[in-house]
Amino acid sequence: DTGVSQNPRHKITKRGQNVTFRCDPISEHNRLYWYRQTLGQGPEFLTYFQNEAQLEKSRLLSDRFSAERPKGSFSTLEIQRTEQGDSAMYLCASSLAEGDTEAFFGQGTRLTVV
Amino acid sequence: KNQVEQSPQSLIILEGKNCTLQCNYTVSPFSNLRWYKQDTGRGPVSLTIMTFSENTKSNGRYTATLDADTKQSSLHITASQLSDSASYICVVREQTGANNLFFGTGTRLTVIP
Repeated sequence: DTGVSQNPRHKITKRGQNVTFRCDPISEHNRLYWYRQTLGQGPEFLTYFQNEAQLEKSRLLSDRFSAERPKGSFSTLEIQRTEQGDSAMYLCASSLAEGDTEAFFGQGTRLTVV
Repeated sequence: KNQVEQSPQSLIILEGKNCTLQCNYTVSPFSNLRWYKQDTGRGPVSLTIMTFSENTKSNGRYTATLDADTKQSSLHITASQLSDSASYICVVREQTGANNLFFGTGTRLTVIP
């Protein structure tokens, strides 16, 4: 168990619906990352936070994607007006900001858009 | 452009045999390189970390090498077990304020009895 918790583990939604995923990082970690992983591919970076500040969001896939970390602890990733191409595993990771630190991953949320 | 490439894409080996996975990267400036193991439907878990000055590091049956001059790394698995079946992902961290991580697409290893 890595200590990073993601909910839900699985989500099936109809095309056009909004979905929100939650990530609870390891408590002392000030960095939190969101990645998307499609079948047979490595994780693709989406965005990251240092404490409550979102330091990189230009690689969010479209304006339908947004992320928040309001109190610098847990984070949410929202996808509005879901499309079938959004079906993927969404991974969250956390780490300390400084040094050669390891990013610890959650088990991911598997999204299926039907 | 910062990239991480892995080979082979997939590999099938018999239980008990050894194998070597390759990772080439162009990430610069380089901070460190980690090999992660990702079981199906799970998040990646770190196996080993290599920094600029390290050439070889072992973790049980896993041995990682790093050639920082040629920007290549390998992961050698000895005496493979069925539980080694997973994707192995090479992740390189750049040495900037953002400390971004760059992921390879992984090698899918299947160990058969």
